[in-house]
Amino acid sequence: ILNVEQSPQSLHVQEGDSTNFTCSFPSSNFYALHWYRWETAKSPEALFVMTLNGDEKKKGRISATLNTKEGYSYLYIKGSQPEDSATYLCATYSGYSTLTFGKGTMLLVSP
Amino acid sequence: EAGVTQSPTHLIKTRGQQATLRCSPISGHTSVYWYQQALGLGLQFLLWYDEGEERNRGNFPPRFSGRQFPNYSSELNVNALELEDSALYLCASRGQGAGYNEQFFGPGTRLTVL
Repeated sequence: ILNVEQSPQSLHVQEGDSTNFTCSFPSSNFYALHWYRWETAKSPEALFVMTLNGDEKKKGRISATLNTKEGYSYLYIKGSQPEDSATYLCATYSGYSTLTFGKGTMLLVSP
Repeated sequence: EAGVTQSPTHLIKTRGQQATLRCSPISGHTSVYWYQQALGLGLQFLLWYDEGEERNRGNFPPRFSGRQFPNYSSELNVNALELEDSALYLCASRGQGAGYNEQFFGPGTRLTVL
């Protein structure tokens, strides 16, 4: 994998469903992985920064895991609510300069 | 604490004109990053300023330029606008000591080139 890739591109679930998305990244030169939540017409908001293989982070109903050896991270949302509707971005940091972003997963949660 | 602010919210220009976009970082943050999100693409890194100096730039032509002022606010200038410059431009700031490059984003400027 040369770039940061996110799947699926979009997802439509019903309120109460649990869901998960994937972020794949080059495992070489890895320093940190960031997850952001981006609601329409607002600023992207930081969710998690993850650095260690096997890391697991949780914030309310949202959690994330990290596998640096195989180059992927999963984001889970338990019991999705309409207010979870947003684009979820992941980005990697190699230790210098800037973040490299994936294209995002757009989540729509219907009531 | 006030977040990152950007102005204007929307900007409409015609081909060949110049556009100036502005960003004010979070108080105390010295680094400013600019990103472009064109239709169908992810956030593409444009420029990084720190302590008034350009530290790195992404794969964009020289007509994309900018500067950072002594108060750490920043300006992005796009000269000789082309239709494909139509995009959302996001600015982010980072404080010193942000070891994993935690960036805080503004709401963006939507640039439309006609």
